[in-house]
Amino acid sequence: AQSVTQLDSHVSVSEGTPVLLRCNYSSSYSPSLFWYVQHPNKGLQLLLKYTSAATLVKGINGFEAEFKKSETSFHLTKPSAHMSDAAEYFCVVSDLSGAGSYQLTFGKGTKLSVIP
Amino acid sequence: SQTIHQWPATLVQPVGSPLSLECTVEGTSNPNLYWYRQAAGRGLQLLFYSVGIGQISSEVPQNLSASRPQDRQFILSSKKLLLSDSGFYLCAWSVWTSDYNEQFFGPGTRLTVL
Repeated sequence: AQSVTQLDSHVSVSEGTPVLLRCNYSSSYSPSLFWYVQHPNKGLQLLLKYTSAATLVKGINGFEAEFKKSETSFHLTKPSAHMSDAAEYFCVVSDLSGAGSYQLTFGKGTKLSVIP
Repeated sequence: SQTIHQWPATLVQPVGSPLSLECTVEGTSNPNLYWYRQAAGRGLQLLFYSVGIGQISSEVPQNLSASRPQDRQFILSSKKLLLSDSGFYLCAWSVWTSDYNEQFFGPGTRLTVL
């Protein structure tokens, strides 16, 4: 079985300061991990993905995440927050299910607020 | 390039009325299709997924049903809506790769049941 824990339901940062959104996962197999972003009343957009290649993954809009197997973490970071980064972020794990297919498990989301 | 459409974008329905939400995908063949519901403060809940025409798997017992009459069309329905059916409904598609399942999401439908 797989699970995802987003450690903060809400994070607030000032514009221009670093962003850190935390995610821990559990998985029975070697997982693939994703971060999605959702702006209000919009669908989810893929920010970045880890699929067993480089452990430091760069995504769109200056975001990056590092896969740390020993810590079972996949935290999302950005050096300098922009007002347009205000949104909800979901950490997602993709793993083999018992039926042999790949299922996604979503975290409950972290709402990022950016203060001018 | 692939695109995914959902309609309507917003919907307000009375309790006990029927529901039909439609999702279509362009630019790909034989996709896997998914319906999710996002309720306030509860994250995304997978409702149904389909790996082919007429093949529907239900993840959660509920008041809803899904159908896939064509390869790139996925419909979410209900005969009688409940207040608890309110939420943001997202359709997604994916294709299998060798070792992961990246999903692409539509713009969503905001359903309010009164």
